[in-house]
Amino acid sequence: AAGVIQSPRHLIKEKRETATLKCYPIPRHDTVYWYQQGPGQDPQFLISFYEKMQSDKGSIPDRFSAQQFSDYHSELNMSSLELGDSALYFCASSLQGAGANVLTFGAGSRLTVL
Amino acid sequence: GENVEQHPSTLSVQEGDSAVIKCTYSDSASNYFPWYKQELGKGPQLIIDIRSNVGEKKDQRIAVTLNKTAKHFSLHITETQPEDSAVYFCAARVIYNNNDMRFGAGTRLTVKP
Repeated sequence: AAGVIQSPRHLIKEKRETATLKCYPIPRHDTVYWYQQGPGQDPQFLISFYEKMQSDKGSIPDRFSAQQFSDYHSELNMSSLELGDSALYFCASSLQGAGANVLTFGAGSRLTVL
Repeated sequence: GENVEQHPSTLSVQEGDSAVIKCTYSDSASNYFPWYKQELGKGPQLIIDIRSNVGEKKDQRIAVTLNKTAKHFSLHITETQPEDSAVYFCAARVIYNNNDMRFGAGTRLTVKP
C-alpha cells in the first residue's frame, strides 16, 4: 500500500539559507500535518492543512511557512535557517470524516543546518 | 491545550517479560489515543489505538487500557521480544477536530535477549 512520501530524506544547509521539504500524502487523504522532532525529543506539531486550507497551527516559527496544493501534496518552506532548526521533519496524512482520523507518518526528512 | 505525560522515559526488560508504559492527558475532550512505535531513523508507526468509548483493546501481544475518569491510558506488551526495542510514544487528540495530536515524551524500551 502506498505510504506518505517525503523528500528529500536528507538535507544539509548553511545558516541563513532556505530549505523546502515536500510531502506526498497517502492517495485520497485530504489532511496533512507537519511535525518537528529534535534529537531525543517527541514530535512537535507545527501546522496542518485540510483541503488546502490551514486547519491548525502549532509551534511553527514565523520563518517557516507551508501550504497544501490542489493535488494535496504539501511543502514546508524554512527561511533564515538557524542551527536549532536541525531536526527530523515528519509529515503525516489522514482522511477526515467518518474515519478514525488515524495519522500515518512518512519516514521523515532530516535537516542539518551547519 | 492538551498536555500528555508519559512514564517511564526508559524501560529495560528481559525477553519474555511484560512491559507497561503509562500516559496521562489533561484535556477531557480528547477521545482518541494512539500509540506509536518509532525505530531508529524511521517515522512513528501506529501500533494500536483506542477510542474513548472503549476501555480496553488487544491485538496479539499488545493491549491498551483507558481510564477516562482518571484520564490515563497504558500500553501493555506481553512476551516481549528483542525486536520490540524502540521508542514508544503515546498521543491524544479529539477525533473529528482539526486540532493537532499531542505526543508524550516517549519511552525507550530495551528488550534484552
